[in-house]
Amino acid sequence: AQKVTQAQTEISVVEKEDVTLDCVYETRDTTYYLFWYKQPPSGELVFLIRRNSFDEQNEISGRYSWNFQKSTSSFNFTITASQVVDSAVYFCALRRGSTLGRLYFGRGTQLTVWP
Amino acid sequence: EPEVTQTPSHQVTQMGQEVILRCVPISNHLYFYWYRQILGQKVEFLVSFYNNEISEKSEIFDDQFSVERPDGSNFTLKIRSTKLEDSAMYFCASSDRGSTDTQYFGPGTRLTVL
Repeated sequence: AQKVTQAQTEISVVEKEDVTLDCVYETRDTTYYLFWYKQPPSGELVFLIRRNSFDEQNEISGRYSWNFQKSTSSFNFTITASQVVDSAVYFCALRRGSTLGRLYFGRGTQLTVWP
Repeated sequence: EPEVTQTPSHQVTQMGQEVILRCVPISNHLYFYWYRQILGQKVEFLVSFYNNEISEKSEIFDDQFSVERPDGSNFTLKIRSTKLEDSAMYFCASSDRGSTDTQYFGPGTRLTVL
């Protein structure tokens, strides 16, 4: 079975602090894809990143960075120098490589950045 | 930038009524999905659709649900006889390819069943 665990329900930080959102996944597939989506207060789901299981290279995009470690089945997301606009619910998701695309979502982490 | 659109943004209905939620996927995408999110909970897969047929459905997607692509642009989710527990945000998503591509989500339709 596929499972995504986001143990942090809520995180609060003050602007300019760095924050890491944890994601642990379970799958027996050798090919799979991991995603992060952002859900701002307006409610839409915004794609942030996709990573496939064969690419363990970490990625940085501006203030965002992702650390993928197959050895610990983790795909953590770090925001550097957080801003109030980063306040949102962040979802980690998993998709099997063998199907046409069903996403398995974690429960999400509510990030609140205070000015 | 192309985006997925959904209408209406908010639908209020009485229990037992039929509702149709509409989505216009990104124009060159071939794979379509519906998900739902009960307030405060995680996003749950309902159904995937490719080549005019259902590819996969979850245990949530029972006989009261159906999907259709009535023309070249719209993708609809019908709930035949709504229940209170159907109240949720319903998201449509689309992708260019199935297993190797990213799903882009619409803004959602908030369904309230009274």
